[in-house]
Amino acid sequence: GAVVSQHPSRVICKSGTSVKIECRSLDFQATTMFWYRQFPKQSLMLMATSNEGSKATYEQGVEKDKFLINHASLTLSTLTVTSAHPEDSSFYICSAGTGRGGYTFGSGTRLTVV
Amino acid sequence: DAKTTQPTSMDCAEGRAANLPCNHSTISGNEYVYWYRQIHSQGPQYIIHGLKNNETNEMASLIITEDRKSSTLILPHATLRDTAVYYCIVRAGAGSYQLTFGKGTKLSVIP
Repeated sequence: GAVVSQHPSRVICKSGTSVKIECRSLDFQATTMFWYRQFPKQSLMLMATSNEGSKATYEQGVEKDKFLINHASLTLSTLTVTSAHPEDSSFYICSAGTGRGGYTFGSGTRLTVV
Repeated sequence: DAKTTQPTSMDCAEGRAANLPCNHSTISGNEYVYWYRQIHSQGPQYIIHGLKNNETNEMASLIITEDRKSSTLILPHATLRDTAVYYCIVRAGAGSYQLTFGKGTKLSVIP
């Protein structure tokens, strides 16, 4: 149980375009989901906390107008990277609290902006 | 959340027990110790968590010292598939709070 599905697993886009990443909780409801970013050989850095039905909370230094988060249902949160640039190339990972003290992570999305 | 300190890397022979230490000397009474691991280019995987008692599940055992200032994750019979970065995270409560990742320990299981 407690599976989080993240899509796509890998995406290549041109500079200036937007990319949407989906994060779904398959067998549980997640009122809160989290979005992380991980650069090569670095640890995961929290970008934002996504709350169902309300605005996301962004960490300091993360541009909310560039990384749009929508959490319209209890099982789906999306992250849209708008006007992507090569420096946005990274590994993006979502997670959700299962309500039993644990957290489940998606398999991640490798974004490459060319 | 309390800060954790882990060795940067460790090696373990295949089939032997892997013991991964974590220091969390500033842990407070309501903070849990969580362990996750991340295999290359995958999302982190939950391993185990505990408050003050030792815990065991099908993946590992968690030993927390009596003063709770340190803990050890034990993989009883390491396999090559256990090669990963292991993160020790201290977090308050059991609600939906974010996890803050440190640098973790890179465990290499050697054939």
